[in-house]
Amino acid sequence: DAGVIQSPRHEVTEMGQEVTLRCKPISGHNSLFWYRQTMMRGLELLIYFNNNVPIDDSGMPEDRFSAKMPNASFSTLKIQPSEPRDSAVYFCASSLALGGRSKNIQYFGAGTRLSVL
Amino acid sequence: KQEVTQIPAALSVPEGENLVLNCSFTDSAIYNLQWFRQDPGKGLTSLLLIQSSQREQTSGRLNASLDKSSGRSTLYIAASQPGDSATYLCAGGGTDKLIFGTGTRLQVFP
Repeated sequence: DAGVIQSPRHEVTEMGQEVTLRCKPISGHNSLFWYRQTMMRGLELLIYFNNNVPIDDSGMPEDRFSAKMPNASFSTLKIQPSEPRDSAVYFCASSLALGGRSKNIQYFGAGTRLSVL
Repeated sequence: KQEVTQIPAALSVPEGENLVLNCSFTDSAIYNLQWFRQDPGKGLTSLLLIQSSQREQTSGRLNASLDKSSGRSTLYIAASQPGDSATYLCAGGGTDKLIFGTGTRLQVFP
């Protein structure tokens, strides 16, 4: 299996522009997580999906952030409009959640390093 | 609200030493605890997962323990090697979510 695939690996954009980050989870996994990592705040959970349905988006910082999972093999995280403080590494992870609880390991993608100028 | 703390924040040791990384959590009702490794510029790699009903897990030179009553987990690395240099993060799992600690940055020098 190729693992969790994220694209792009690096994104540099100007303040005010729309940014879309993409994630392909491991085939067969039914839970998908979006995280943000910064030096100041560490690794933070933004939102997670179970069976393509958003379960908890309490970590999404503002309405400028939105995430979708149209099918089991694809998810996007969109920031519109982007701001310099959004600069961070964004990770996607997937796992196989059994019975509504994540008993298994989360597998992480390589991340997207976002720089907003 | 679950909070996860890791001590020390950084550690530098000579090759061959046995070492212990510490993780503490505030909510003892965790479902599982995971230890991850992160290399610079890379994603996280899961090392060990301990279910709430377990007390420890072992993988090669790594051993992780879990004490829910005291809210602590430790990661023991035996006979450390330069290739072990990385940031190690622990994460406490409630239902589906993981709450991460800020990590311990480990450097093992030859």
